Amino acid sequence: ELKVEQNPLFLSMQEGKNYTIYCNYSTTSDRLYWYRQDPGKSLESLFVLLSNGAVKQEGRLMASLDTKARLSTLHITAAVHDLSATYFCALSPTSGTYKYIFGTGTRLKVLA
Amino acid sequence: GAGVSQSPRYKVTKRGQDVALRCDPISGHVSLYWYRQALGQGPEFLTYFNYEAQQDKSGLPNDRFSAERPEGSISTLTIQRTEQRDSAMYRCASSYIPSLDWGYSGGYNEQFFGPGTRLTVL
Repeated sequence: ELKVEQNPLFLSMQEGKNYTIYCNYSTTSDRLYWYRQDPGKSLESLFVLLSNGAVKQEGRLMASLDTKARLSTLHITAAVHDLSATYFCALSPTSGTYKYIFGTGTRLKVLA
Repeated sequence: GAGVSQSPRYKVTKRGQDVALRCDPISGHVSLYWYRQALGQGPEFLTYFNYEAQQDKSGLPNDRFSAERPEGSISTLTIQRTEQRDSAMYRCASSYIPSLDWGYSGGYNEQFFGPGTRLTVL
């Protein structure tokens, strides 16, 4: 069974702190995506990671992919309140299907 | 429009009724996907199309669920004889794939999601 697990599920952190969200998956994949979802809103694409060792950065967020470890991370640097949202990782298995398998999501709350 | 649109945004129906949910993808996007998202969970794949062809329907829960995309653009997800357990947010996404063989190096299918339809079955 294909599984995509994120941890932590909930994260409450102070502004200015750093933290990392982990995304572990159980199948072969070299295409991993990170999305942000605000309450009551749709999913917003953040990063597309296409190969082993890929690293992407946008503002205070940095995502990386280790296909050998089947692990992706989303690192938050000096968190601000505006980053409060739910973050999902999703992958497309290399079996040829185009569907996404989503992780469980990490609900982030940044406290002022 | 600039993004994926879905209608209706909210749908309340009585158990046993049929519902049809519509998705209008981004213009020019070849592929269209349907997902279902329960509260507090990640989206769960239902089915997807390349142009008008349904490529994978492995995520449809049972034969009460069906989808079509007859002209390769707008898609409709139909749920017959709705049940309370069908209550969820139904999301549509689309992606632009330059070639159907996106498995070549560098190919990927970044999906853009619509606002969803919140379905409540009473």
